[in-house]
Amino acid sequence: QQQVKQSPQSLIVQKGGISIINCAYENTAFDYFPWYQQFPGKGPALLIAIRPDVSEKKEGRFTISFNKSAKQFSLHIMDSQPGDSATYFCAPTDHDPSWGKLQFGAGTQVVVTP
Amino acid sequence: DAGVIQSPRHEVTEMGQEVTLRCKPISGHDYLFWYRQTMMRGLELLIYFNNNVPIDDSGMPEDRFSAKMPNASFSTLKIQPSEPRDSAVYFCASSPSPGGGEYEQYFGPGTRLTVT
Repeated sequence: QQQVKQSPQSLIVQKGGISIINCAYENTAFDYFPWYQQFPGKGPALLIAIRPDVSEKKEGRFTISFNKSAKQFSLHIMDSQPGDSATYFCAPTDHDPSWGKLQFGAGTQVVVTP
Repeated sequence: DAGVIQSPRHEVTEMGQEVTLRCKPISGHDYLFWYRQTMMRGLELLIYFNNNVPIDDSGMPEDRFSAKMPNASFSTLKIQPSEPRDSAVYFCASSPSPGGGEYEQYFGPGTRLTVT
């Protein structure tokens, strides 16, 4: 059973544009919703995360929007920069009983053109 | 802190050989995770440990794979015998116990394994 569906698979955006990546999940026990960023040749790193008691969280140019009823959350990258070119993964998890098991989505490769 | 350390960074071996990947987690972290990343299957959790004890190994693909954590600062992932389909990037990650706030896994740089 695929618990997490991430879209789109890839995204090309011009510098200064907005990148939007979506993640749909099935497990209603998920209670922590992070996005990880991975550059080529590196391991993934936490970018931003949200808990279900809020609908939006913003950190700089990165915003998570969370829709509990739709079981979806999304990552918005505002004013996209070439340095944002990377692969982004949603990775929701629950604290009981599977704490620590991040359910990684398939990833979205974002390319920001100059 | 130096972060999660993995060795070797690259490994090329012939089918049938034994391969051992090594990981040193961040000091003080209670959890250690082994992942495999391929284009076809994405990021897969293979096994994770809490306080050196394996908690969930349901992601280990088959008996050819084994993992150990003899102490809090060292873990190994062993493949014997290796097969070409094992070619992938293997990541080790560590994390502290969850608190009331953010939870983060810290990934190492990975080991790129090629089995010919």
